Parts: sequence; structure tokens; C-alpha cells
Amino acid sequence: DTGVSQNPRHKITKRGQNVTFRCDPISEHNRLYWYRQTLGQGPEFLTYFQNEAQLEKSRLLSDRFSAERPKGSFSTLEIQRTEQGDSAMYLCASSLAAAGGNEKLFFGSGTQLSVL
Amino acid sequence: DAKTTQPNSMESNEEEPVHLPCNHSTISGTDYIHWYRQLPSQGPEYVIHGLTSNVNNRMASLAIAEDRKSSTLILHRATLRDAAVYYCILRGGTGGFKTIFGAGTRLFVKA
Repeated sequence: DTGVSQNPRHKITKRGQNVTFRCDPISEHNRLYWYRQTLGQGPEFLTYFQNEAQLEKSRLLSDRFSAERPKGSFSTLEIQRTEQGDSAMYLCASSLAAAGGNEKLFFGSGTQLSVL
Repeated sequence: DAKTTQPNSMESNEEEPVHLPCNHSTISGTDYIHWYRQLPSQGPEYVIHGLTSNVNNRMASLAIAEDRKSSTLILHRATLRDAAVYYCILRGGTGGFKTIFGAGTRLFVKA
């Protein structure tokens, strides 16, 4: 069990460019979550998958954001036409589905995005 | 979505117990109470969770009020490595699996 892996750890880009982040969850976990965190704030929910199905997406997520989880394994989060306000830590978490909220989330170390 | 309220910060002395409070007055009957902590430059780390009964594990204890409108995370002997931001969150229930995080409590531990 190597934990949740996120790549890259850091990404610096220019405004207007597209960026893609990758998350590799714990192998047997069927749920995968994306969060965004800015300095001094708690993680903010973006979206989550159960297997390959994207079941919920935050209303805060603009059309510039898209996430995929092909084959229910790794996931990618793409941000198109980045803006300076997109600068944040992007966190991925995974879990093994259990009844109700009776499951633990395991987080990766995140990808720190800086948009210049 | 059910929300939680925590103090912004707390301070403790090393090797003393720490009680971190959380209010969740709008909790639904099916919400689980979870605690996570986050060290600098890392993702949140699971600490403990429970539904109705008090819970103990190697990291901490969770005391849940009888009416479930509040809970307390107990670190039995704080160490310098426990200095982190602690988040109390509700999962399942009316909020589903979105898991809404607040700003958490920043715990300072003095040597």
C-alpha cells in the first residue's frame, strides 16, 4: 500500500495555459475525490467518482475544469485557460465505499498550482 | 449541508491532554463525525470517526455528546508532532459524500 499518489507536486504555469494533474488512488479504493485548498482555508470539494462514474460535481466548478477516471483507476483533473484565481493546492483522496459515511478518506500530498 | 463549528486555534503544552471541541447542531441522524488533521505541506490525514458511541484508537479518542450536536477530539498526550490543523467534518447523511471542510482548529503545542 503506497498511499494516494499525486503528480506533479508543483506546477507553475502562465495564465491562459492548460494544465493536467494526475491522481493514483490506493489500488482497491473505488471512490476518488478532488478538492482544492487555498492558504488558510479547509479543502473545498470539487468532484467525486465511484469507479469510473462521476457522481457529483461542485457548483463552484466552472466549465474550465474537467475530471476523468477512465477504467475506475487513476484520475486526471484538467484546468483549461488557467486564471490567477486557480492558484491553489489540488488534493486527491480515495476511499473504499462503505455504508453511509462510515469510510475513511486517504489524501495525497497534493499538487500546488501557481498561475503567473 | 450540515456544518461544523470549531475554534480557530488552541494551544497546549507538550505531554498534556488536549480537548478539541466541535459543534454540529444541524447533524442528521445518519451523519458520521470524522476528524482529520493536516500538517504543513501535506494532505489531510484521517484521525478517527464515529456515529453515536465514543471511539478510541491509537491516535486519539472521540467523545460524542448524547444528542450528537457536539463532539470532542481528545489527544491524550500532546507532542510537538501533533501541531497541525484539525478538521471536524460530517460524512454521509444529508450531505452525501461531498465532505464539507471548514477552516478547522490550528493546534499549537509548546515544548
